[in-house]
Amino acid sequence: AQSVTQLGSHVSVSEGALVLLRCNYSSSVPPYLFWYVQYPNQGLQLLLKYTSAATLVKGINGFEAEFKKSETSFHLTKPSAHMSDAAEYFCAVSVSGSGNTGKLIFGQGTTLQVKP
Amino acid sequence: DAGVTQSPTHLIKTRGQQVTLRCSPKSGHDTVSWYQQALGQGPQFIFQYYEEEERQRGNFPDRFSGHQFPNYSSELNVNALLLGDSALYLCASSYNVGGPDTQYFGPGTRLTVL
Repeated sequence: AQSVTQLGSHVSVSEGALVLLRCNYSSSVPPYLFWYVQYPNQGLQLLLKYTSAATLVKGINGFEAEFKKSETSFHLTKPSAHMSDAAEYFCAVSVSGSGNTGKLIFGQGTTLQVKP
Repeated sequence: DAGVTQSPTHLIKTRGQQVTLRCSPKSGHDTVSWYQQALGQGPQFIFQYYEEEERQRGNFPDRFSGHQFPNYSSELNVNALLLGDSALYLCASSYNVGGPDTQYFGPGTRLTVL
């Protein structure tokens, strides 16, 4: 069975500081990994995804994430936080391979607060 | 190109009632998945529809049912509503290209059960 753990339900950074949101996954087969962002009262927007190509994945709005199989991690980073980055971030896993329906399993989410 | 749309945006029901939520997928997508997001939680997979059939189901009771139409749009029905069914219901669409493709989410329907 697959699962996702997001370490830290709430992260606070100053504007211009590094953003680091942690995600660890559990999967018995090669995973596909995703980061989504959710702004208040909105649906989820895809930031980036890993599907077994390059381990360093670049996404929208300056975010990137690195797949580390040995650490079963897929942490999200951004070099310089902007006030508009304040939102809820979700890490998700689905299972690769034939017959996979793409069902997503989400972590509990991390709220990013950006202070001026 | 319209993205995933859902209706209604908000809904208030009382316990025991039934509700129907609707979703239109992104243009070119043929697969629709439904998720329930309780307050402060990550989304939980309810079920997925492909070729008008339920392809996979999460750990939800039979009170939750769905349908997919020939134009790929979908409905989620919940019977005998409970207070615990209050949540944001998200629809996601994707294109089944022989493997999983990225799921794109709609804005959700906020259901409140009183």
